[in-house]
Amino acid sequence: AQTVTQSQPEMSVQEAETVTLSCTYDTSESDYYLFWYKQPPSRQMILVIRQEAYKQQNATENRFSVNFQKAAKSFSLKISDSQLGDAAMYFCAQGTSYDKVIFGPGTSLSVIP
Amino acid sequence: DTGVSQNPRHKITKRGQNVTFRCDPISEHNRLYWYRQTLGQGPEFLTYFQNEAQLEKSRLLSDRFSAERPKGSFSTLEIQRTEQGDSAMYLCASRGDRYTDTQYFGPGTRLTVL
Repeated sequence: AQTVTQSQPEMSVQEAETVTLSCTYDTSESDYYLFWYKQPPSRQMILVIRQEAYKQQNATENRFSVNFQKAAKSFSLKISDSQLGDAAMYFCAQGTSYDKVIFGPGTSLSVIP
Repeated sequence: DTGVSQNPRHKITKRGQNVTFRCDPISEHNRLYWYRQTLGQGPEFLTYFQNEAQLEKSRLLSDRFSAERPKGSFSTLEIQRTEQGDSAMYLCASRGDRYTDTQYFGPGTRLTVL
C-alpha cells in the first residue's frame, strides 16, 4: 500500500529566510511521481513542484526545490527567500501514471513578517 | 476560465437529505478524480474515471455515494441520506492522458450536514 508521511504538522519561517518541509513515502511501484501541492486558506490547491522517480536530478521551480532521496524514500521541499504569500498548507503526494494520488496529512506553514 | 470548476461551492443540508455535486474538468482531460478532505487533513481518494468509465472506487465510498461521468465530460457525485460524518470538502481533479501525471484541482464543494 502507498503511504505518505509528513512529520511536521506546523512550521514557521521568517520572511526572506529558507525553510525545509519533510516528507517520506512508501510504495512498491517502480515508476511513480512525487508532488508538492500548496493549499492557501480557503483557496484552491495548486501544484508547486513535481519529480519523476526515475530522474536523479532534483526538480526546481524558482524559489522552490526538492531533495529527492529515492533509496530513503524521502522527498523534502525547500522554500528559499520565503514570502508572505507562501503561507499555506503544503501537501506531499505520490502517484503513478495510472491512477490516484496519495496525499500526506499536510504541513501548515506560517511566514513571519 | 479553462480550469476545473465545481458547483456548488458550498452546500448546507439536513441529515437524511440527498445532495449532488458537479465537476467540470479541463476540457481536454480524460481522467477525472474525486477526493474528500476533512479539516486539517490531506485529500482522500474516493473514485476516478477515465472518460466515462469508473475505474476505481475507494472503500471510503459507501453505497450511499454514487458518481457518474456521462459522455466522459462533467461528473456528478451524489450522496444519499447524508450523515453528519459526510461533512467535508469534496474536491475534483482532472488530468490528461496517461503520460501526463499532474492532477489539477478545482476549488471544491464544502458540504455541511446539520
